[in-house]
Amino acid sequence: AQSVTQLGSHVSVSEGALVLLRCNYSSSVPPYLFWYVQYPNQGLQLLLKYTTGATLVKGINGFEAEFKKSETSFHLTKPSAHMSDAAEYFCAVSDGTGNQFYFGTGTSLTVIP
Amino acid sequence: DAGVIQSPRHEVTEMGQEVTLRCKPISGHNSLFWYRQTMMRGLELLIYFNNNVPIDDSGMPEDRFSAKMPNASFSTLKIQPSEPRDSAVYFCASSPPASNQPQHFGDGTRLSIL
Repeated sequence: AQSVTQLGSHVSVSEGALVLLRCNYSSSVPPYLFWYVQYPNQGLQLLLKYTTGATLVKGINGFEAEFKKSETSFHLTKPSAHMSDAAEYFCAVSDGTGNQFYFGTGTSLTVIP
Repeated sequence: DAGVIQSPRHEVTEMGQEVTLRCKPISGHNSLFWYRQTMMRGLELLIYFNNNVPIDDSGMPEDRFSAKMPNASFSTLKIQPSEPRDSAVYFCASSPPASNQPQHFGDGTRLSIL
């Protein structure tokens, strides 16, 4: 069975500072990994995904994530936070054997002016 | 391209009433998922369909909840009778046949049971 752990349910950063949202997964098979963002009163929107190939993945809005197999991690980063980045972020994993997704519990990002 | 379409966007009703939520997945997607999101429990998978067939409904909380997918372009989630604790945002998502593809979410239905 898959599981996803997001460390820190709430993260606050200053505008212009580095954003780091942590995600660790457990998987017995090579996983497919995803980050989603949810703005208030909206559905989840795909930020980026890792399936195969390059382990550093770039997504929308300047976000990127690095797949580290040895650490079973897929942390999300952005060099410089913007006020518009304030949202809920979800990490998700698919084991690729079916269409089952496993979501983390989410991290709420606050950006301080 | 049209995304996942959910209706209604908001629903307010009294406890005991029947509630029907609707979802139209993206054309060509063969998997459909229903989620519930609350502050207390976060995002919960209720049920998912593959090629219109329910595959896993272990997340459906009670017999009061039922879901159908009569064809590839339509699904419903029904609650009968509704209770105040069913108040939540309900999301529908769909995904293409390849297993390495992401799910695409609708904007959700905000349900309030009084």
